[in-house]
Amino acid sequence: GQQVMQIPQYQHVQEGEDFTTYCNSSTTLSNIQWYKQRPGGHPVFLIQLVKSGEVKKQKRLTFQFGEAKKNSSLHITATQTTDVGTYFCAGIWGRWALNFGKGTSLLVTP
Amino acid sequence: DGGITQSPKYLFRKEGQNVTLSCEQNLNHDAMYWYRQDPGQGLRLIYYSQIVNDFQKGDIAEGYSVSREKKESFPLTVTSAQKNPTAFYLCASSKTGEQYFGPGTRLTVT
Repeated sequence: GQQVMQIPQYQHVQEGEDFTTYCNSSTTLSNIQWYKQRPGGHPVFLIQLVKSGEVKKQKRLTFQFGEAKKNSSLHITATQTTDVGTYFCAGIWGRWALNFGKGTSLLVTP
Repeated sequence: DGGITQSPKYLFRKEGQNVTLSCEQNLNHDAMYWYRQDPGQGLRLIYYSQIVNDFQKGDIAEGYSVSREKKESFPLTVTSAQKNPTAFYLCASSKTGEQYFGPGTRLTVT
């Protein structure tokens, strides 16, 4: 089936360093969504990207959707301990087909 | 308070027993979903329902069953046919694409 590959699986950074996670699909996506799951919690919706080449920002978070709509990235500037968690991308090929990547677990040490 | 609830938070069962996980939402969302989460595996779709009295199999439906008799409710039954039922189960609902997740039920079968 259609899948999204997400890398890296884990990332350990010092507080203040930047962080990036990447999401790739072999086929063109309709949209892509990003979620964050804190340890012991449930996924929380962050953003949806729809347009080719789209860039959206939420404070220190920058989301990009590739020109070919086959890849996406989430970049966090100057990480904080509150950024700890697992970040998932979810690819959408049709109205209901939403496939999650395996996630990138971020650990931030002060 | 609007939201999506799952109960119980923790559930323990003996092998060979069926068990039903509850999922209720008062967000007036048409679509509801069940996911299974295992360590390092991301979220895998079990079943989803776009409308009352209709549901479709996801990627890993074998050993599971669902019903959607009311818009607000989408219970999941883990049957004895599911070979590895121990996991974290997440229910979600959606109206316009972004998914809202419940707190999850952690099922342990011994």
